[in-house]
Amino acid sequence: DIQMTQSPSSLSASVGDRVTITCQASQDISNYLNWYQQKPGKAPKVLIYDASNLETGVPSRFSGSGSGTDFTFTISSLQPEDIATYYCQQYDSLLLTFGGGTKVEIK
Amino acid sequence: QVQLVESGGGVVQPGRSLRLSCAASGFTFSSYGMHWVRQAPGKGLEWVAFIRYDTNNYYADTVKGRFTVSRDNSKNTLYLQMNSLRAEDTAVYYCAKNGGGPYYYQISGLDYWGQGTLVTVSS
Repeated sequence: DIQMTQSPSSLSASVGDRVTITCQASQDISNYLNWYQQKPGKAPKVLIYDASNLETGVPSRFSGSGSGTDFTFTISSLQPEDIATYYCQQYDSLLLTFGGGTKVEIK
Repeated sequence: QVQLVESGGGVVQPGRSLRLSCAASGFTFSSYGMHWVRQAPGKGLEWVAFIRYDTNNYYADTVKGRFTVSRDNSKNTLYLQMNSLRAEDTAVYYCAKNGGGPYYYQISGLDYWGQGTLVTVSS
């Protein structure tokens, strides 16, 4: 199975800060990676697909980059409504795997 | 708009069985692959199973041989039959739609999710 190592596991930042989350795959997955946002008690929601494409309707402060094994997710200016846990997920393999998640809080 | 509504969760004893359902609407269900994903209390997301539009299916190692994913296109409904349940199967179970267009052959990201149904395995 392809392992997805996501870091940090949690972070605390101020409103307006730039926030960066990384995800590393255990093998080359090309750009077959999504980023999801999950708010407490809710289902996950896709924000970024194919590593860098913004899902329709998602604010432009969210972005993704990378290919191969190393990926980055960025919130350019953290907003109070961005408080959530974020997950990466690879779909290069028939056995999908998620990163461990990053819990984002407001300082 | 796409809607996915899970049902069938509840409390079940270890070793027993349970069947989850996911009613789909807002898209041509028969043309898309579908997934089950679960989340144990306070934990991260774990992919469980995928069934393609042509009914080929794939499972996580943790459930292979115990869980069976199926679909009834006439009812626009996805199922997850869970047998030999264990305490570690306790989780919220989500159904989700495979990304990509209709008749997309590859497994992909998950572009729509249901609200989930809680399964608790306990004596």
